[in-house]
Amino acid sequence: AQSVTQLDSHVSVSEGTPVLLRCNYSSSYSPSLFWYVQHPNKGLQLLLKYTSAATLVKGINGFEAEFKKSETSFHLTKPSAHMSDAAEYFCVVSGTYKYIFGTGTRLKVLA
Amino acid sequence: GAGVSQSPRYKVTKRGQDVALRCDPISGHVSLYWYRQALGQGPEFLTYFNYEAQQDKSGLPNDRFSAERPEGSISTLTIQRTEQRDSAMYRCASSRVAGAREKLFFGSGTQLSVL
Repeated sequence: AQSVTQLDSHVSVSEGTPVLLRCNYSSSYSPSLFWYVQHPNKGLQLLLKYTSAATLVKGINGFEAEFKKSETSFHLTKPSAHMSDAAEYFCVVSGTYKYIFGTGTRLKVLA
Repeated sequence: GAGVSQSPRYKVTKRGQDVALRCDPISGHVSLYWYRQALGQGPEFLTYFNYEAQQDKSGLPNDRFSAERPEGSISTLTIQRTEQRDSAMYRCASSRVAGAREKLFFGSGTQLSVL
């Protein structure tokens, strides 16, 4: 069985400061991990994915995430937030064919 | 098509009515998923198809919910005798091949409101 926990339901940062969105997972299998982003009134878009290659994964729009097996974590980071990053972010785990979504973290970027 | 297409975009129905939600995946995509997303929550898995075979329906809440994909392309999610608690965004996603490492392509969803 797989599950994912997003530790913060809301995160606020100032424009130009770093972003950290936290995600912990549980999986009976060697997991694949993903981050998706959902902008208001838009569909879900893949930011990045980890599938057992390099543990540091780079995605679109300057985001990256590091897979840490010892901590069962897959936190999403970005060095400098932009206003356009304001959205909801979902961490996703998959062990077979089923993709399990976390409850989401809403990122607010303050001017 | 260019992307995953869902219809209708909005559906308002009265309690007790049946509704059918349609998903047209990207052409050639093998896998198709249905998710339900309540306001402020993450997408919740409902069911999964590999070609025309429904391989997992463990997320369907009860027997009022059913889904089919008869020719391995378009899928329909049917909710019979709708209840107010069925109100949510229903999202369809497809992937090129089956497996755990694939990018899911999502449609814009169908917002269902049961009055």
